[in-house]
Amino acid sequence: GQQLNQSPQSMFIQEGEDVSMNCTSSSIFNTWLWYKQDPGEGPVLLIALYKAGELTSNGRLTAQFGITRKDSFLNISASIPSDVGIYFCAGLNYGGSQGNLIFGKGTKLSVKP
Amino acid sequence: DAGVIQSPRHEVTEMGQEVTLRCKPISGHDYLFWYRQTMMRGLELLIYFNNNVPIDDSGMPEDRFSAKMPNASFSTLKIQPSEPRDSAVYFCASSPRTGGGLNGYTFGSGTRLTVV
Repeated sequence: GQQLNQSPQSMFIQEGEDVSMNCTSSSIFNTWLWYKQDPGEGPVLLIALYKAGELTSNGRLTAQFGITRKDSFLNISASIPSDVGIYFCAGLNYGGSQGNLIFGKGTKLSVKP
Repeated sequence: DAGVIQSPRHEVTEMGQEVTLRCKPISGHDYLFWYRQTMMRGLELLIYFNNNVPIDDSGMPEDRFSAKMPNASFSTLKIQPSEPRDSAVYFCASSPRTGGGLNGYTFGSGTRLTVV
């Protein structure tokens, strides 16, 4: 089946540093989503992207929908301890119903104060 | 809005026992999804419903798994008989119709299942 390759798998950074993670696929997606999961909780939507080339911000978070429609990245600026968690990308295919969201394996972020 | 409500939060059961996980979606959401999350396989879609009707159950691992949605405000995921390899966190999610529906795609807090 289709897969999303999310990298890096994990990151250990110092508070205040910027963070960048990305997702790539061999297939075209028409929607990209980025989620954050805190320990013991379900994923929470951070940013949704619907058009190729789209660049969207949510506070210190910025995500972009790649021009090729096969990739997306998420940047976090000036990280803080509460940014700790697992970040997931998810993609939806052309013509796919909402049930065809495909998730990456996640990027585990650790922030050292 | 109380969000998607799942119960129980934690379940420990012995191999061979029947397990039932429950989900109450957000009121007015037309779609309901069941996911399983493990370290090895990440988030996997098991089954999803649209207006209480199962649309795609191709992710259900085997016949031991079944899901129902008797009405718009309740769904169950049942495992009978349970096996240790079923140990995982099971998430329920719901979303409104497409056309902005993905922005409302909301997960519950999950049920952590341990089969010993």
